[in-house]
Amino acid sequence: GAGVSQSPSNKVTEKGKDVELRCDPISGHTALYWYRQSLGQGLEFLIYFQGNSAPDKSGLPSDRFSAERTGGSVSTLTIQRTQQEDSAVYLCASSSRAGGGYEQYFGPGTRLTVT
Amino acid sequence: AQRVTQPEKLLSVFKGAPVELKCNYSYSGSPELFWYVQYSRQRLQLLLRHISRESIKGFTADLNKGETSFHLKKPFAQEEDSAMYYCALSGGSKSTFGDGTTLTVKP
Repeated sequence: GAGVSQSPSNKVTEKGKDVELRCDPISGHTALYWYRQSLGQGLEFLIYFQGNSAPDKSGLPSDRFSAERTGGSVSTLTIQRTQQEDSAVYLCASSSRAGGGYEQYFGPGTRLTVT
Repeated sequence: AQRVTQPEKLLSVFKGAPVELKCNYSYSGSPELFWYVQYSRQRLQLLLRHISRESIKGFTADLNKGETSFHLKKPFAQEEDSAMYYCALSGGSKSTFGDGTTLTVKP
């Protein structure tokens, strides 16, 4: 079946501009995660959605970052007034349920470059 | 707070040699531990999880609660094992990943 998809695959933007990154999870998966993967660093948790519950935003690095998930499916990560340090690969993952023991299925990522 | 430490950023071994990728964790509850792998130009994917106690592609990992470790081992490394490996801890709803170890298996 179809896996997690993300778009765009690459995004180059100028410093100060806003960007939107999209994630389509696996159909039926109720949990959705966003991570940031920077060069030489690990996966940094950003935000997680589980069903209709309030999202866990504890990993968002600043108020320039926000995310929403519409209809329990597609999610959009928005970065306002981008900075060069926002350059990274942004990964989305979904799982059938949140919590321990459930495998996360990752998308291919969006490589964001802020010039 | 939950934390995952992978002390080696880079690990290089020769084909046929044993390999061990180290992972230590910190978590106050009962953790679920995973190893994920990312091969070149592929997406991150699950390699194995401790609750399954399985061997995948010859890799095994044993959860040692006393040492709070979940090291990944393979007795005879193959060139196709070259990849980035991430140890992950799932506590509650959140998952915490280590910084990853890049394994290179030389011919």
